[in-house]
Amino acid sequence: AQSVTQLGSHVSVSEGALVLLRCNYSSSVPPYLFWYVQYPNQGLQLLLKYTSAATLVKGINGFEAEFKKSETSFHLTKPSAHMSDAAEYFCAVSRGSGYALNFGKGTSLLVTP
Amino acid sequence: NAGVTQTPKFQVLKTGQSMTLQCAQDMNHEYMSWYRQDPGMGLRLIHYSVGAGITDQGEVPNGYNVSRSTTEDFPLRLLSAAPSQTSVYFCASTWTSGGKRDEQFFGPGTRLTVL
Repeated sequence: AQSVTQLGSHVSVSEGALVLLRCNYSSSVPPYLFWYVQYPNQGLQLLLKYTSAATLVKGINGFEAEFKKSETSFHLTKPSAHMSDAAEYFCAVSRGSGYALNFGKGTSLLVTP
Repeated sequence: NAGVTQTPKFQVLKTGQSMTLQCAQDMNHEYMSWYRQDPGMGLRLIHYSVGAGITDQGEVPNGYNVSRSTTEDFPLRLLSAAPSQTSVYFCASTWTSGGKRDEQFFGPGTRLTVL
């Protein structure tokens, strides 16, 4: 079985500051890991995915995440926050790309001027 | 391509009423799934299908039925709506070939309120 835990339901950063959203996973098989973003009243958009290739994954909108097996983590980062980054972010795990996803409960990112 | 489409966008039901949430995709994806999103709960899998004529249950299937008569369509049926089914529902589809699967593409969602 696979599951993820997102640490912090709400994160607030200043515009221009580092964004760090935490995700830890549990998986009985090598995991596939994903980060999705959801803007208000919209569907989910894939930011990036880890599928057992490079451990540092670069995604859209300047986001990246690093897979750390020893720490069972897949934290999402962005060097400089922009106001448009304010959204809900979901970490998810599956046993393969395209298989059913197990989502975390989400982290709401607030960016202040 | 229109991608994954869902109708309606909004729906209000009374307890005990039935309805069908529609989901369609024009990408010839074999794998389709339904999720519900509730505050503080993330998204939870309701049902999924690996191809026409094949469906299976996810994490929270009770109170929902699905069928998959064509590759394009994957409707979700509520036979007797309950207030606990008030949620936002997302449909997703995935390209598959020879056992390989790509990322899931999500529809825009249906916001359902059961009074």
